[in-house]
Amino acid sequence: AQTVTQSQPEMSVQEAETVTLSCTYDTSESDYYLFWYKQPPSRQMILVIRQEAYKQQNATENRFSVNFQKAAKSFSLKISDSQLGDAAMYFCAYSMLMNYGGSQGNLIFGKGTKLSVKP
Amino acid sequence: EAQVTQNPRYLITVTGKKLTVTCSQNMNHEYMSWYRQDPGLGLRQIYYSMNVEVTDKGDVPEGYKVSRKEKRNFPLILESPSPNQTSLYFCASSSPGQAYSPLHFGNGTRLTVT
Repeated sequence: AQTVTQSQPEMSVQEAETVTLSCTYDTSESDYYLFWYKQPPSRQMILVIRQEAYKQQNATENRFSVNFQKAAKSFSLKISDSQLGDAAMYFCAYSMLMNYGGSQGNLIFGKGTKLSVKP
Repeated sequence: EAQVTQNPRYLITVTGKKLTVTCSQNMNHEYMSWYRQDPGLGLRQIYYSMNVEVTDKGDVPEGYKVSRKEKRNFPLILESPSPNQTSLYFCASSSPGQAYSPLHFGNGTRLTVT
């Protein structure tokens, strides 16, 4: 069975600094998706970034980037120039890649990392 | 506006009193799913549905029921709620296919069972 592990329950960063959130996963599949979701106090689940395992290039979305190490089964999220609005719970998640090319939809989540941003 | 709508947003009930949390999506998505979120445990899948009349258990299905009689609706039923079902619940939908389809989440339902 696939598992996702986030080993940092809480992290803190100074505004404008850079922070990296860790995620490791376990799977026997060779093709899959990995995600980072942000959950602010409003409880919304917001997709931050997505990585296809078959792509070697690390995904980036503005100030958010990932370090995807497939062999090590590691998927960390780097937030650059941290802003007060980045304070939230962050979840790492895994999804199988189906043989028809898309995602089945079922996500396996880590336990989350609560990020605080200090002004 | 494309959205997943859950109701209610907050619900307080007593042990044993049957309740239903509704979920509706207006994107014609085939796939729908329910998750519960608990502190220190992340989100765990309760049930999912790949299409009308097709449902399957997730990781924590005990104490829950679902039905998928229409494509747009996927209600979560607690026949006899217990305090350990106090949680934050999310409904989600997507359209699995040959291209990646993002999972759309509802805004969550905070359930308290006393």
